[in-house]
Amino acid sequence: DQQVKQNSPSLSVQEGRISILNCDYTNSMFDYFLWYKKYPAEGPTFLISISSIKDKNEDGRFTVFLNKSAKHLSLHIVPSQPGDSAVYFCAASENDMRFGAGTRLTVKP
Amino acid sequence: NAGVTQTPKFQVLKTGQSMTLQCAQDMNHEYMSWYRQDPGMGLRLIHYSVGAGITDQGEVPNGYNVSRSTTEDFPLRLLSAAPSQTSVYFCASSVGTGGTGELFFGEGSRLTVL
Repeated sequence: DQQVKQNSPSLSVQEGRISILNCDYTNSMFDYFLWYKKYPAEGPTFLISISSIKDKNEDGRFTVFLNKSAKHLSLHIVPSQPGDSAVYFCAASENDMRFGAGTRLTVKP
Repeated sequence: NAGVTQTPKFQVLKTGQSMTLQCAQDMNHEYMSWYRQDPGMGLRLIHYSVGAGITDQGEVPNGYNVSRSTTEDFPLRLLSAAPSQTSVYFCASSVGTGGTGELFFGEGSRLTVL
């Protein structure tokens, strides 16, 4: 039973527009949430994180929002760039880290 | 600056064969873990270790064995390979227990079981 769910397998946006990637979780004990980015033939790399005591964290073009009551988090990328095209994994942790299935983002020039 | 190193990068096995995927990190991280990535399933945790001599099971441990004799190394053993173990395997490490720290991943090992 997957505790972290990314229901959109893919997303396509135009360069310069906003990309919004969504993630839902079922375990209310998760206290730390992360986003990873993965290019083909490479391992995932850390992008941004948020603690459960916050509802927003920003790092340059990337912002993560956390809605604990809805058990939902999202990643906003503004403005989107072609180099952002990758698979994005949402992850949540308590004692270990669990991942969603990933969303493939394509940013078109 | 090696980080997390996995070997081999590619491997083809026949059903019933055994093999070991090697993982080494040079960052002195206490926490290490193994994930498998399958289409539509994302990354699923196989086993993890919070320090030398300590290992524990993740979501999908069946058919895999691990040991942690040193801080640097965390090998994953397939005891009797099955086609269902065809996957891409990632080793990861982090500072602390792995529950709150950023994971550093290796480049992956693609395993095919015929």
